[in-house]
Amino acid sequence: EAQVTQNPRYLITVTGKKLTVTCSQNMNHEYMSWYRQDPGLGLRQIYYSMNVEATDKGDVPEGYKVSRKEKRNFPLILESPSPNQTSLYFCASRNTGGRTDTQYFGPGTRLTVL
Amino acid sequence: GDSVTQMEGPVTLSEEAFLTINCTYTATGYPSLFWYVQYPGEGLQLLLKATKADDKGSNKGFEATYRKETTSFHLEKGSVQVSDSAVYFCALSSWRNTNAGKSTFGDGTTLTVKP
Repeated sequence: EAQVTQNPRYLITVTGKKLTVTCSQNMNHEYMSWYRQDPGLGLRQIYYSMNVEATDKGDVPEGYKVSRKEKRNFPLILESPSPNQTSLYFCASRNTGGRTDTQYFGPGTRLTVL
Repeated sequence: GDSVTQMEGPVTLSEEAFLTINCTYTATGYPSLFWYVQYPGEGLQLLLKATKADDKGSNKGFEATYRKETTSFHLEKGSVQVSDSAVYFCALSSWRNTNAGKSTFGDGTTLTVKP
């Protein structure tokens, strides 16, 4: 089954404690992306990756890091989380072939930073 | 930069009513346009898309037409069901300019359909 998986699904942590949210896809997509969803703000793109070892900032990259060492994985790293990073996070991968351009989303990770 | 403006919600309709959710966009180049749906507690799913002007995307009774002259991509359904209750997001992405790879989403419109 084609899917994007994220772990953990729920996480409560404290300010300043480094954390990583993992993302993996099994569709051999070159493109992957991270978003955060906040009430009234829709989805905002944090980082995206067009291919292995190629990452770019989205609209809200401050406070986040990513890496893309292999095609299937795209972890999101919060080196020093702060309460304003409390949010619902989605990873996505994308088939970017013209009319088949389709983005597949993971189930989400709900992060609370105390 | 690119932007997407969606009709504000929430929207509440009775079953079998006609649905329109407005979406307009600002973008350089030739973006692809999308509607995604998010059911409670789940991630987003692609509902329909259009990759060029005058294309009509359709799925599960929903339709939207890419109108370049009005920069719009309004979502419509002729007869909604209770099961259509969800949050709907309009989105765009561009691959042919300096924003290649970026995706921009609207704020989302919550639809509730009552029996």
